[in-house]
Amino acid sequence: NAGVTQTPKFQVLKTGQSMTLQCAQDMNHEYMSWYRQDPGMGLRLIHYSVGAGITDQGEVPNGYNVSRSTTEDFPLRLLSAAPSQTSVYFCASHVGASNTEAFFGQGTRLTVV
Amino acid sequence: AQSVTQLDSHVSVSEGTPVLLRCNYSSSYSPSLFWYVQHPNKGLQLLLKYTSAATLVKGINGFEAEFKKSETSFHLTKPSAHMSDAAEYFCVVSPYNQGGKLIFGQGTELSVKP
Repeated sequence: NAGVTQTPKFQVLKTGQSMTLQCAQDMNHEYMSWYRQDPGMGLRLIHYSVGAGITDQGEVPNGYNVSRSTTEDFPLRLLSAAPSQTSVYFCASHVGASNTEAFFGQGTRLTVV
Repeated sequence: AQSVTQLDSHVSVSEGTPVLLRCNYSSSYSPSLFWYVQHPNKGLQLLLKYTSAATLVKGINGFEAEFKKSETSFHLTKPSAHMSDAAEYFCVVSPYNQGGKLIFGQGTELSVKP
């Protein structure tokens, strides 16, 4: 009963490096999204997807890319890491557009030095 | 635009006493509202959600929330705190027909003293 799986759990990057945070869900949910969590700011939406092949920007999209080639996977790419991207990243999936429970992964703690 | 404001960044209670975590929302439409809990170094778990079927919503672990449209509030309560309730709590609004986006409050850290 995996739910939403994020990898890696921890990552340290040097400024300017790129990497991909992986997210996979096995619940056949159409909707998936990425959030970042920073102290005192709650979670902020980076990008979201309403189905395979469809993505859109959230509140804080700069410096991040996404794609959705399958229903199951929604990777988040950091193109050129910056210290301001040090954060905890959460992937979520849910079955409907609103009023439905979102299921979250365990998070990826990213440090950019 | 829809938004959520959690009125306290930190709440401290003694075990066995009531818990009140306050949340106000701003919404043009009838909102979808949620409370999520995050235990240390864990993901987020749904506590309860407001579906417009009833203004008093019961959730897991004895938590409740009351939707008050006139006050634009959705406060979370529990009659008696347990040590295991220590966590961060997020009030969340889901805007209507916007791809399932969630708008989070800033979070309230709940401490429970023995």
